[in-house]
Amino acid sequence: DTGVSQDPRHKITKRGQNVTFRCDPISEHNRLYWYRQTLGQGPEFLTYFQNEAQLEKSRLLSDRFSAERPKGSFSTLEIQRTEQGDSAMYLCASSLVGLRGQNSYEQYFGPGTRLTVT
Amino acid sequence: SQQGEEDPQALSIQEGENATMNCSYKTSINNLQWYRQNSGRGLVHLILIRSNEREKHSGRLRVTLDTSKKSSSLLITASRAADTASYFCATSFGTYKYIFGTGTRLKVLA
Repeated sequence: DTGVSQDPRHKITKRGQNVTFRCDPISEHNRLYWYRQTLGQGPEFLTYFQNEAQLEKSRLLSDRFSAERPKGSFSTLEIQRTEQGDSAMYLCASSLVGLRGQNSYEQYFGPGTRLTVT
Repeated sequence: SQQGEEDPQALSIQEGENATMNCSYKTSINNLQWYRQNSGRGLVHLILIRSNEREKHSGRLRVTLDTSKKSSSLLITASRAADTASYFCATSFGTYKYIFGTGTRLKVLA
């Protein structure tokens, strides 16, 4: 396993368009997280999944954002009607939690998808 | 919103010197982690300290936690040019949701 992968690595879109990002976590990991990071700031929590269930979503996340993890494996993050303020790096991370006491609080991050909205 | 704030925001030291950065947070936590981010490798986990621990070591890293002051420090000893990166603390409270701080940008000069 080569770690967490994200696709695409870069996305340039025009304001008002919809975009979708994909994250493939480490195969045995049951937790998957999405973060957003802007220049000079730390990653900002967006949402996370335990298997296919979305357990929490940031109140900062507008209704234009939606995330899915349909089979408990890969996840997608969709942004509808993009705005220039959505320009950021979108990070995905995964971890292994809760199986027979095997709790790894360590999160493994992907390389991110850099979104530029023009 | 960011839970933690790192201090200083930026730090520049000579190779071989020690680097100390601090993290302050606002609410009670289960554990606190430190991550490193550079352009080459993205975000990488460094070390975790639980709320009932006061100090942990990992190689050249030493982390302390003071829950009464809601603060943590990361010490990197004998720094190397390869330690140049941004360092973030991340806190967890009650769930597996993590809140990252604003980061300290460390530059190690050869």
